[in-house]
Amino acid sequence: AQKVTQAQTEISVVEKEDVTLDCVYETRDTTYYLFWYKQPPSGELVFLIRRNSFDEQNEISGRYSWNFQKSTSSFNFTITASQVVDSAVYFCALAYQKVTFGTGTKLQVIP
Amino acid sequence: DTAVSQTPKYLVTQMGNDKSIKCEQNLGHDTMYWYKQDSKKFLKIMFSYNNKELIINETVPNRFSPKSPDKAHLNLHINSLELGDSAVYFCASSSNRGVDGELFFGEGSRLTVL
Repeated sequence: AQKVTQAQTEISVVEKEDVTLDCVYETRDTTYYLFWYKQPPSGELVFLIRRNSFDEQNEISGRYSWNFQKSTSSFNFTITASQVVDSAVYFCALAYQKVTFGTGTKLQVIP
Repeated sequence: DTAVSQTPKYLVTQMGNDKSIKCEQNLGHDTMYWYKQDSKKFLKIMFSYNNKELIINETVPNRFSPKSPDKAHLNLHINSLELGDSAVYFCASSSNRGVDGELFFGEGSRLTVL
């Protein structure tokens, strides 16, 4: 069975602070994919990143960075110098044959 | 040109009614999905079709019936609507049965049952 845990239900930060969103997953599969999606207040789901289980290199894209650690089954997401536009619900997801989403972390960035 | 489009975007109806939500994708994908997002934002898969064939059918009341006339369309019909069916329903598509998980979502259809 697959499971994705996002223990942080809601986080508030002041603009320009760094924030890390945690994601822990469980799977028996050796090949799988991990994702982050963003859902802004407008409601659409936006793909942010995909990682396969064999690629543990961290990734940076602008103010966004992702830390994948197989040893701890974690795929954490850090936003550096947060902005109000980062306010959204962020979902971590695990895929092997089907996609399992975490329960989401609501991030509020306060100006 | 919208990649995954759903209609209607908003739907308000009375308990007991039957309603449908339509979904179309122009990405050439073989696999389409319906997800339900409840008021707590939980996203749960309901159905998945690959080339018009049902491949995932989670525990969903049989009042919900998906129909895929072709691989570019996946419609959702709901009979005898109940209050608990109020949610946002997302259609999605992917290129390879979701093995690598990259999903392209529609904008969602917000269903309110009164």
